Parts: sequence; structure tokens; C-alpha cells
Amino acid sequence: RKEVEQDPGPFNVPEGATVAFNCTYSNSASQSFFWYRQDCRKEPKLLMSVYSSGNEDGRFTAQLNRASQYISLLIRDSKLSDSATYLCVVKIAPGKLIFGQGTTLQVKP
Amino acid sequence: NAGVTQTPKFQVLKTGQSMTLQCAQDMNHEYMSWYRQDPGMGLRLIHYSVGAGITDQGEVPNGYNVSRSTTEDFPLRLLSAAPSQTSVYFCASSYDGNNSPLHFGNGTRLTVT
Repeated sequence: RKEVEQDPGPFNVPEGATVAFNCTYSNSASQSFFWYRQDCRKEPKLLMSVYSSGNEDGRFTAQLNRASQYISLLIRDSKLSDSATYLCVVKIAPGKLIFGQGTTLQVKP
Repeated sequence: NAGVTQTPKFQVLKTGQSMTLQCAQDMNHEYMSWYRQDPGMGLRLIHYSVGAGITDQGEVPNGYNVSRSTTEDFPLRLLSAAPSQTSVYFCASSYDGNNSPLHFGNGTRLTVT
């Protein structure tokens, strides 16, 4: 079983839609959680960290459920520019950051 | 600031050849790491370093060596290239490898024939 798992999608949604991605992790000792965004053939970039109490950054909301060992990303009012691959990242030990395979989002006009 | 610089951008090797992928950062980051990205596999951690003189294995270390003699540089060596090592390689750095964000280089596209 992979340490960090994501549904690869693709998720095809119209502009303005709300879309949610989940990511599960297997190591209950995992300490930190992040969402990264990767555009086609580019390097990943940090979208947001995920805090225990949940956190919001504009149209993006991240949640952590330690009991069920998953994190989620909610995108409201989707824009064409949100089309990308969203990567879940889990720190399973100091310095050891493991990526999920990514979920592809396509926002259509 | 240049950030994280990877060279070369593209490389073609024959099976059995060796080469070194270079990675340098000018942000005085303690933490550096190497990932490979294959279609449908996401990024997989090869090796990482939490400071000069310290390295550790990630998820897929076999066939790769690293060293960290300075804070700035973290080269990745392929000792005897195999077609299975055809991939896109990303170097990343962060302040401490814990809660600080990873800064990635632009990647190296490696083909082994």
C-alpha cells in the first residue's frame, strides 16, 4: 500500500463549480501536511499547509482528519486558471516528505 | 536570488553510463532533496539531506548516490544508468525540511536508451 494515496481523476468541472479532493495517508505518526499545485511540465509549488483546525486561503479550504487519516482540499468558484494537478504531501518523519500521485483538475468554460 | 538551480535541463544517456545531476541553492537552506516523477506515479523521494554532511534514503534510493559536502550543493549520481531511470528529476530545498515550504528547481529530463 502506498504511504499517501490520491484519486488521480481527472476531475472535469465547469467554471464556478465547487470541487473537493481527498488524500489518505497510512502512517499515523505523520506530522505535517501540505497541498502543492503542479502545472503541466512545471515544478510543484506550495498551495497551502494543512492545519489541524482546518484553514482557508481565499477560495481554497484545507481540512485534516487525523482519526481517519485523510486530508482534503476544497476549491470554491472554480476558475479556468485552477486547472492543474494537485499534490498531497505528508511528512512521515523529519525530512521525509512523501507525495501522493496527484489529482488532475480540468475546469471547463 | 536564483533559488534552486538544476543542471542539465535535458540529458540522454546510454545504458551503463554514469552521470551527475547538479543541484545548487542560494537560500541558505539546510534541507535538500531529490525526487523523480514518472507518469501516474507522482513524485517519489530518492534521497534527502537535513544538513551538510548528512544524507538519508528516501522511497526509491537504489541506483543513486548523493553527498552533501556544502550547504549549497546536493548532487545526484547515477552510477550505471538503466532505462528504468528514465524520468524527470526534481531537486528541492527548504529551510528545515519540516513545516517550511519546499522550493523546487525546474527539473532535469533524463532519457536512458
